[in-house]
Amino acid sequence: EDQVTQSPEALRLQEGESSSLNCSYTVSGLRGLFWYRQDPGKGPEFLFTLYSAGEEKEKERLKATLTKKESFLHITAPKPEDSATYLCAVQANSNQAGTALIFGKGTTLSVSS
Amino acid sequence: EAGVAQSPRYKIIEKRQSVAFWCNPISGHATLYWYQQILGQGPKLLIQFQNNGVVDDSQLPKDRFSAERLKGVDSTLKIQPAKLEDSAVYLCASSSGASGTTGELFFGEGSRLTVL
Repeated sequence: EDQVTQSPEALRLQEGESSSLNCSYTVSGLRGLFWYRQDPGKGPEFLFTLYSAGEEKEKERLKATLTKKESFLHITAPKPEDSATYLCAVQANSNQAGTALIFGKGTTLSVSS
Repeated sequence: EAGVAQSPRYKIIEKRQSVAFWCNPISGHATLYWYQQILGQGPKLLIQFQNNGVVDDSQLPKDRFSAERLKGVDSTLKIQPAKLEDSAVYLCASSSGASGTTGELFFGEGSRLTVL
């Protein structure tokens, strides 16, 4: 069964304190791995897509990396406005019907000043 | 560019009542998704449309949930009768990628359902 596990569930950082969020996945064949940001009361907002091991994507203070079994979202010198829930999702080749994304439960990040 | 529109934003009903949610995707997006997000969980796909045809409804509880996408644009998700465990946020998303290919999903703000 295709599965996505994110850790930690919650992370509290001081402003400027860098850290990483983990997303481990089990899929029969990975078509793509996605990172989304979700603010309270809002829908998820797309951040990155990664397709193959070794690939990296960057956006401001965020950098996403991918290995064969997991992905990391590195947050460098975070600011309070980076506080949100970060969702990881995978799209598996095993899904013959369409392009559905399988989401993890997310990591809730709180950054205090 | 207008985003994905959903209504109502909030709905409170008694169990066994019915409810309907509406979604208007981004103009020109052929693929439309309904996701269910229970508090503390990630979104779970309920149904995916490509234009006005169903691509994947394998996780839709068909005894109580129904969805349609008329004319390949707006979509409606209905729950009848509702159960307590249906309390969740119902997210609509759209994408410009064709079915079978990877695409960035654009989500609406969601419709929060509380079943008492």
